[in-house]
Order: sequence, then structure tokens, then C-alpha cells
Amino acid sequence: KNEVEQSPQNLTAQEGEFITINCSYSVGISALHWLQQHPGGGIVSLFMLSSGKKKHGRLIATINIQEKHSSLHITASHPRDSAVYICAVGGGSNYKLTFGKGTLLTVNP
Amino acid sequence: DGGITQSPKYLFRKEGQNVTLSCEQNLNHDAMYWYRQDPGQGLRLIYYSQIVNDFQKGDIAEGYSVSREKKESFPLTVTSAQKNPTAFYLCASIGSTGGYTFGSGTRLTVV
Repeated sequence: KNEVEQSPQNLTAQEGEFITINCSYSVGISALHWLQQHPGGGIVSLFMLSSGKKKHGRLIATINIQEKHSSLHITASHPRDSAVYICAVGGGSNYKLTFGKGTLLTVNP
Repeated sequence: DGGITQSPKYLFRKEGQNVTLSCEQNLNHDAMYWYRQDPGQGLRLIYYSQIVNDFQKGDIAEGYSVSREKKESFPLTVTSAQKNPTAFYLCASIGSTGGYTFGSGTRLTVV
């Protein structure tokens, strides 16, 4: 079993829809990261969470440490949100991350 | 602007040749990482370095080598011993707050 599981693997939505991507992990962590990877391959860090909830524009990330679960929400989705969203968890002093396989989001106009 | 520069973006290598991927950062970050990404898989750690002149093997270090002679630079050499080198390679660094910065990646193809 992978240490970091994301669902769904693929998600297609219509512009304007509310999107939720889930991440479950099985190891103890000090922080959880949500990352965005566009078709060119470069990765951008969206959020780093250790508890609670964070919001940035139309993006909201939540984490439940007891349930070892995090969600990434996108409100009023737009075609430019189309990308792979990756959940990664880290722990320990060396900051090594364990990555999920990613969720491919396609938002159609 | 601060960031991580990876070069080249695309690289072709003949079988049996070593090739070096460049990673430079101007963020003054101590820790740097090399990850490999294959289709349908999560990123996997190749090597990491937390300080200059020191580095540690990650989960898939076989067939790779690194150096960390300067804080800004963490080059990765893909040697001929790496059996399946065709992949997308990402370099990252981490700041004092724990936030990661990634480079734009190098896509290596063995021909």
C-alpha cells in the first residue's frame, strides 16, 4: 500500500464547478504539501499545512491530522486550473517528502 | 527573482554515456534534493544534500552521483550504470520555513 494515496486519479469538470481532491496518508508527518504541475512539467508549491485550513484565492486546503487526511478544494474552477495536483507529506529533520501519484484535473470551458 | 534553474530542459543521451544535469539556486537554501518522475508514479528521491560537501542517498540512488561543492549548486550525474535513465528529473530546495521550491525540470531521453 502506498504511503500517500490520492483520489480521484483523474477528474474532469466544467468551468465554474467546485473541485475537491483528496489525500490520505499512513505515516506520521510534520507537514503536508499540495503542489501543482502544469503540462510543461514545472512544479509550483500551493500550500504547506500542518493543521487546520489555508486559503489562497480560489484554492482552499484542509488537513485533519487525527484522520490523516487532507483535501484541496478549487472554487469556481477555470480551464487554467487544468494541471496535475500532487499531495506530498514530510517528516523528520531532513525534510524528505513522500509523494502521491497525483490527480490529473481537466477543466473544460 | 529568486528561484531554481535547471538546465537543459531537454537532454538526449546515447546508451553508455554519462550525462550531468545542472541545478542552481539563488535562494540561499541549505537543503537541496533531486527527484525522478516516471509516468503514473509519484516523485522518488534520488539524492539530497543538507549542507555543502555533504549528501545522502535517497530511495533510488543506484546509477546516479551528485556533488555539493557550493551552496548554490547541486548537479546530478546519470551514469551508464543507471538501467532506465529515461525520465523527468526535478531539483528542489527547501527554506528555513519548510517550504519547497522546485525547478522546471529536465526531461532526459536515452536514444
